[in-house]
Amino acid sequence: AQRVTQPEKLLSVFKGAPVELKCNYSYSGSPELFWYVQYSRQRLQLLLRHISRESIKGFTADLNKGETSFHLKKPFAQEEDSAMYYCALSTSPTGNQFYFGTGTSLTVIP
Amino acid sequence: GAGVSQSPRYKVAKRGQDVALRCDPISGHVSLFWYQQALGQGPEFLTYFQNEAQLDKSGLPSDRFFAERPEGSVSTLKIQRTQQEDSAVYLCASSLAGGVGTTEAFFGQGTRLTVV
Repeated sequence: AQRVTQPEKLLSVFKGAPVELKCNYSYSGSPELFWYVQYSRQRLQLLLRHISRESIKGFTADLNKGETSFHLKKPFAQEEDSAMYYCALSTSPTGNQFYFGTGTSLTVIP
Repeated sequence: GAGVSQSPRYKVAKRGQDVALRCDPISGHVSLFWYQQALGQGPEFLTYFQNEAQLDKSGLPSDRFFAERPEGSVSTLKIQRTQQEDSAVYLCASSLAGGVGTTEAFFGQGTRLTVV
């Protein structure tokens, strides 16, 4: 069963516009949610974790347990934000039960 | 090294051939993970090591897949009798102690395997 759903494979926004990448998860316990980013020709890297409640590169994500969502948001998109974004769910502290979504390719149009 | 290193970066194998993919984790990293990423999909968990112990291999898709980390450092993912469905990017990640979702976990650039 798909534990993490990213409904948009492709998303394009204009520079300076707000951006929201959607993520929904399926898990009955207490999840740990993450966003990973992969810039062109670079390796996959952690962007942010919900437990940190921090803003990285202007991105924030709020865990909504009622809606089982963890959408990634940024008020003003920049060209350098163009990348592949993966939402991920961990159901174990060691991280071996770690599930990625299928990813959303974000393009920021100058 | 500066990061997690995987080799080769690209591998083309004929169907039925055996392949070996190598992962050099960051020095001192205890945990090592292998993931398989098919085209258009997110990475999927294959197996997990803590030092030389393989603690979880539940994600290995068949008994043709075998992973080892004999000295608790370098790891090798071996695929026997490769099939076309094995074509994917194979990602390795290592972390100091915690899981993949910790800030000290880092991914390699992956090995793209194409089975023809």
